[in-house]
Amino acid sequence: SQTIHQWPATLVQPVGSPLSLECTVEGTSNPNLYWYRQAAGRGLQLLFYSVGIGQISSEVPQNLSASRPQDRQFILSSKKLLLSDSGFYLCAWSLAGETQYFGPGTRLLVL
Amino acid sequence: KQEVTQIPAALSVPEGENLVLNCSFTDSAIYNLQWFRQDPGKGLTSLLLIQSSQREQTSGRLNASLDKSSGRSTLYIAASQPGDSATYLCAVDTGRRALTFGSGTRLQVQP
Repeated sequence: SQTIHQWPATLVQPVGSPLSLECTVEGTSNPNLYWYRQAAGRGLQLLFYSVGIGQISSEVPQNLSASRPQDRQFILSSKKLLLSDSGFYLCAWSLAGETQYFGPGTRLLVL
Repeated sequence: KQEVTQIPAALSVPEGENLVLNCSFTDSAIYNLQWFRQDPGKGLTSLLLIQSSQREQTSGRLNASLDKSSGRSTLYIAASQPGDSATYLCAVDTGRRALTFGSGTRLQVQP
């Protein structure tokens, strides 16, 4: 069966520090991968999606970036965090045309 | 631009009641619509997926309907239980490989 992992589960970082959140999927090949952010009191916003290694599409301009160094690994990064980057970050995977499966999320607090 | 709205934002009902959650979307050109459940501080769990050619899907006490022409979907929960308490999210897939989410309905089922 397929599983999706995210780490860390919780992160507290100072403004201006770098960020690296990792997401890995097991039990499937060539999945579509997604990064979403859920800010307090707001809905989920798609940040990035990837249909293959090295293929990243950005949905909104921001100081975040994403990379897919391996088929089942998706990384969300920032060189310098802003206060507004605080939120709940969710990674998801899907196969073409099928439902998306979400990871447990990473709660990021930027102080 | 696709926009998804969920009404009501919050709902509190006594145990045993049947209830309906509403979702509307502005662009009827969708591939599918999904309902998710999110427990506090957790990731999303897929409940039901309705393809654009379908009118409804059922899973246990849950029934979701889709009226694509009018841009509406409903999630019907029969005989609600305290364990149903969670936030319910509606999301549409417009074929851009990503989902557009509503802001959710926060459901509380009182024992």
